[in-house]
Amino acid sequence: DAGVIQSPRHEVTEMGQEVTLRCKPISGHDYLFWYRQTMMRGLELLIYFNNNVPIDDSGMPEDRFSAKMPNASFSTLKIQPSEPRDSAVYFCASSPTGGYTEAFFGQGTRLTVV
Amino acid sequence: TQLLEQSPQFLSIQEGENLTVYCNSSSVFSSLQWYRQEPGEGPVLLVTVVTGGEVKKLKRLTFQFGDARKDSSLHITAAQPGDTGLYLCAGAGNSGYSTLTFGKGTMLLVSP
Repeated sequence: DAGVIQSPRHEVTEMGQEVTLRCKPISGHDYLFWYRQTMMRGLELLIYFNNNVPIDDSGMPEDRFSAKMPNASFSTLKIQPSEPRDSAVYFCASSPTGGYTEAFFGQGTRLTVV
Repeated sequence: TQLLEQSPQFLSIQEGENLTVYCNSSSVFSSLQWYRQEPGEGPVLLVTVVTGGEVKKLKRLTFQFGDARKDSSLHITAAQPGDTGLYLCAGAGNSGYSTLTFGKGTMLLVSP
């Protein structure tokens, strides 16, 4: 298996633009997580899905952030409109059996909003 | 909210030295995981500890879970440049819908 695949690896955008991050989880994993990593706050859970259903989105910073999982092999995290404070590395992770078991991370998307 | 404090935040040592990093919380966790993250990559699981007082060894790395399941330590013997990276601990709560809570990590630099 190729592991969790994220795209793009790097994204530079202007403030106010829409940004869409993509993730393909490991086949057969029932859980998918979106995390954001910054120096100040570390790794923060934004939202997670179980069997394509959003379970907890309490970590989503504000309404500008939205996430979807239309099928078991694809998820998106969208920021509209983007702001400079959204600059961070965004990770997608998947897990086979539970939110508390091993998380398999993608390589991340480094987002810079100028 | 369950918080995990990791110390030290940064550690720079020479090859061959020993080191210990810590992960502490006021909360009890059902299990605790250690991950290593290399630059430009996502975290990768090293070990999971479940039982209070448990000790696990992975080559030169020794992991210990505190008796009360509130803290953990990672000891590296004879560090090598390949050990360089960000070491993250992550705790799991006790509820059925629990997710992992990550510490901010310890950045380790091992110089030749």
